Amino acid sequence: ILNVEQSPQSLHVQEGDSTNFTCSFPSSNFYALHWYRWETAKSPEALFVMTLNGDEKKKGRISATLNTKEGYSYLYIKGSQPEDSATYLCAPPGAAGNKLTFGGGTRVLVKP
Amino acid sequence: EPEVTQTPSHQVTQMGQEVILRCVPISNHLYFYWYRQILGQKVEFLVSFYNNEISEKSEIFDDQFSVERPDGSNFTLKIRSTKLEDSAMYFCASSRDIGRNQPQHFGDGTRLSIL
Repeated sequence: ILNVEQSPQSLHVQEGDSTNFTCSFPSSNFYALHWYRWETAKSPEALFVMTLNGDEKKKGRISATLNTKEGYSYLYIKGSQPEDSATYLCAPPGAAGNKLTFGGGTRVLVKP
Repeated sequence: EPEVTQTPSHQVTQMGQEVILRCVPISNHLYFYWYRQILGQKVEFLVSFYNNEISEKSEIFDDQFSVERPDGSNFTLKIRSTKLEDSAMYFCASSRDIGRNQPQHFGDGTRLSIL
C-alpha cells in the first residue's frame, strides 16, 4: 500500500499572496504523479500529470514541481484568488496505471 | 466540455438493502473506475473496468460489490446488503486510455447514506 502524505492539511491565504504545499510519496517504483483540484460539491479536476524528475508544469497561476529521487512534489499558487479555494489532491498511479492512491489533500481557503 | 455524470447525487438506503449507483462516463472513454471517500478519510480506489472486465480491484471491493456496463453508456456499482460503514461519497471516473500518465476524469459523486 502506497503511503502518500500531503501537508499542510489546510491553509488560509490572503488574496494576492502566493503559497505552496507538499505531496510526499515513496520514491521507489515511481511511475507518475497526478494533481487534482477539488472544489466543494464539484468533481475533482485534473491539473497535472508529472512523470520525470525535475518536471515543472504550469496552468495559469498554478504550477508544480517534481522530485522523484526524494519523493516529493510541490504545488504553487501565485497571487491567490478566492476562486483558488479548493482541496488539492495528489495521487501516484499504480504499476498498471489503473489505481490512483490519493493523499489526504491540502484544503486551501483564500480570504478576500 | 464532456463530463462524467453520476446519479443520484444523494442516496439514502436502509441497512441491508441493495443499492445501485449509476455513472455515464465520457463517451469516447474506454476505462472506468469507482472510488469512494468515507467522511474524514482519504479517497480510496475500489475498482477499474475495461472491455467488460474488472482489470484491478482493491481489498475493499469484496463480494458485496459488483460493477457492470449494462449498455453502451452506463457504468454501475451495485452494493448488496449495505452496511453502515458503506456510507461514503462514491466517485465514478473514466479515462480514454490506460497508462500511468493518463488523467482520470471524475464525476460529481453520489453521497450514499446508510441508515
